[in-house]
Amino acid sequence: NAGVTQTPKFQVLKTGQSMTLQCAQDMNHNSMYWYRQDPGMGLRLIYYSASEGTTDKGEVPNGYNVSRLNKREFSLRLESAAPSQTSVYFCASSEAWAYEQYFGPGTRLTVT
Amino acid sequence: QKEVEQNSGPLSVPEGAIASLNCTYSDRVSQSFFWYRQYSGKSPELIMSIYSNGDKEDGRFTAQLNKASQYVSLLIRDSQPSDSATYLCAVNPNNAGNMLTFGGGTRLMVKP
Repeated sequence: NAGVTQTPKFQVLKTGQSMTLQCAQDMNHNSMYWYRQDPGMGLRLIYYSASEGTTDKGEVPNGYNVSRLNKREFSLRLESAAPSQTSVYFCASSEAWAYEQYFGPGTRLTVT
Repeated sequence: QKEVEQNSGPLSVPEGAIASLNCTYSDRVSQSFFWYRQYSGKSPELIMSIYSNGDKEDGRFTAQLNKASQYVSLLIRDSQPSDSATYLCAVNPNNAGNMLTFGGGTRLMVKP
């Protein structure tokens, strides 16, 4: 099992460009999450999907959109990137009604 | 007041000593608590979960929970240089479904 995978690993964008971060899990988990991690700020939840077909905002959703494509895949889209979105982005998944979350390797995004 | 608070450190301990990492949380009715380890440049890795008051041991790791004091700790016995990492405390707040709130993490340095 690969667990949680994310693509790309690194990305540099110019202000105003758009991109989609991809996440997939092979653990048959129902719930999936997108976090960002910034120095001194810890992990902050952007969006989550409790189950296939549902998505909800987390703590810092502005500037992002998500799609739960199917049970395995959960993507995060930046429509118009801003320097404030420079961060490391982690995808995670968990079983339904369970709290242990398992993280992907992360995407390091720089917006210039 | 942050929902989950940790001393950012660094906490420096000599090899072979006990490292004690602490976390306080503000939601009195939180039920589930987790410790993640994050090596520099890597993703968080779940190492311990605890749900009941008292101690839970797993190898060299012991998690301690005191709900009355809203306090959870992680003890690492016989600390090794390979334990040097940032340790993140995570809490499932009441009425938050299966979402987690993370503390900012404590950086642990184990010196040979």
